[in-house]
Amino acid sequence: DQQVKQNSPSLSVQEGRISILNCDYTNSMFDYFLWYKKYPAEGPTFLISISSIKDKNEDGRFTVFLNKSAKHLSLHIVPSQPGDSAVYFCAATGRGGSNYKLTFGKGTLLTVNP
Amino acid sequence: NAGVTQTPKFRVLKTGQSMTLLCAQDMNHEYMYWYRQDPGMGLRLIHYSVGEGTTAKGEVPDGYNVSRLKKQNFLLGLESAAPSQTSVYFCASTNTGVGYGYTFGSGTRLTVV
Repeated sequence: DQQVKQNSPSLSVQEGRISILNCDYTNSMFDYFLWYKKYPAEGPTFLISISSIKDKNEDGRFTVFLNKSAKHLSLHIVPSQPGDSAVYFCAATGRGGSNYKLTFGKGTLLTVNP
Repeated sequence: NAGVTQTPKFRVLKTGQSMTLLCAQDMNHEYMYWYRQDPGMGLRLIHYSVGEGTTAKGEVPDGYNVSRLKKQNFLLGLESAAPSQTSVYFCASTNTGVGYGYTFGSGTRLTVV
């Protein structure tokens, strides 16, 4: 049972345009969401997060939007740069627990073309 | 450099052999995790630890054992390797209050033939 879903395995955009990566979740207990970026042969790196008490969080070129009623979040990258080409993982957790476990989606490969 | 160090980076095992993957962190983090990444499957939690001397099962624990004898180290053991355990293994650590920003190691690529 996949609790965090990234339904687009890949996305290709032109440099300078907006990249939108989507993520859906099914577990109503999730209340904190994160995006990780992963380059080949490296470990994932934390990118941005959002709490369920917010509907938007911004950090430079990266913005995450959360729609709790739809159980949907999205990561916007504006403007996209070739260096953004990587696999992006959506992750979620329920902070009511004490183990801080994250549940990850399968990832979306973003390719930004020069 | 501060962070999470995984050893070895690559390993080829024969079916039935055993091995231990080592994860070491120097950030004094309480929580440590082992994930595996397989094509089309994302990251799946194998085992985790919420502090020295504690371990717990994750989503896919079968065939693995772990130990956390020291706070900075988290070991993942395969007692009898199987081809299904061919994967890339990632260790991660975090502390409370850091927004769940796990710090990941660079991974161990394991092939079981």
